[in-house]
Amino acid sequence: GQNIDQPTEMTATEGAIVQINCTYQTSGFNGLFWYQQHAGEAPTFLSYNVLDGLEEKGRFSSFLSRSKGYSYLLLKELQMKDSASYLCAVRDSNYQLIWGAGTKLIIKP
Amino acid sequence: GAVVSQHPSWVICKSGTSVKIECRSLDFQATTMFWYRQFPKQSLMLMATSNEGSKATYEQGVEKDKFLINHASLTLSTLTVTSAHPEDSSFYICSAKWTTDYEQYFGPGTRLTVT
Repeated sequence: GQNIDQPTEMTATEGAIVQINCTYQTSGFNGLFWYQQHAGEAPTFLSYNVLDGLEEKGRFSSFLSRSKGYSYLLLKELQMKDSASYLCAVRDSNYQLIWGAGTKLIIKP
Repeated sequence: GAVVSQHPSWVICKSGTSVKIECRSLDFQATTMFWYRQFPKQSLMLMATSNEGSKATYEQGVEKDKFLINHASLTLSTLTVTSAHPEDSSFYICSAKWTTDYEQYFGPGTRLTVT
């Protein structure tokens, strides 16, 4: 079966750095996405990786290793507004998005 | 960026009635639209995928006679929850994409409460 694992919840301090990991086992691979979702709102796109390596976009970076079935989202200089759920999703060989359960990130002052 | 709207943003209905939710792509033509349901503190669950002009493809366990999806144009898809029950209360989110793009663009979601 297809499976995406990410931690249920993480806590970090304002101004610090946090890394949210995602491992996946899917039928084929056509890209990995990270989304941010605040409570009661729809997800918003953060990043897309299809090749191995690090993609940097401001305070957020995303890394992919296809051979290991592994990705992480790195958030730097954490702000209180970064408190949200972070969803990892993988597009499989049928171009279907397979979603992880999400990681709830709690930022403390 | 591409904008997707949903209407209504929230709706309360009585058990047994039907509710229609609209999803519109405002500045692009959406060849494919997706409908998701999300229960509190849970991840998105794909309900169905619809391509313009053809019947929707429903995920396993989703009743197609209960959740009617119509994608009549490249900018509009509708989800009708028929004979709604309290267990249908959820956050319904649509997303849209065009063929050559990798990204799905999400609507703001519709919170349905069935009393």
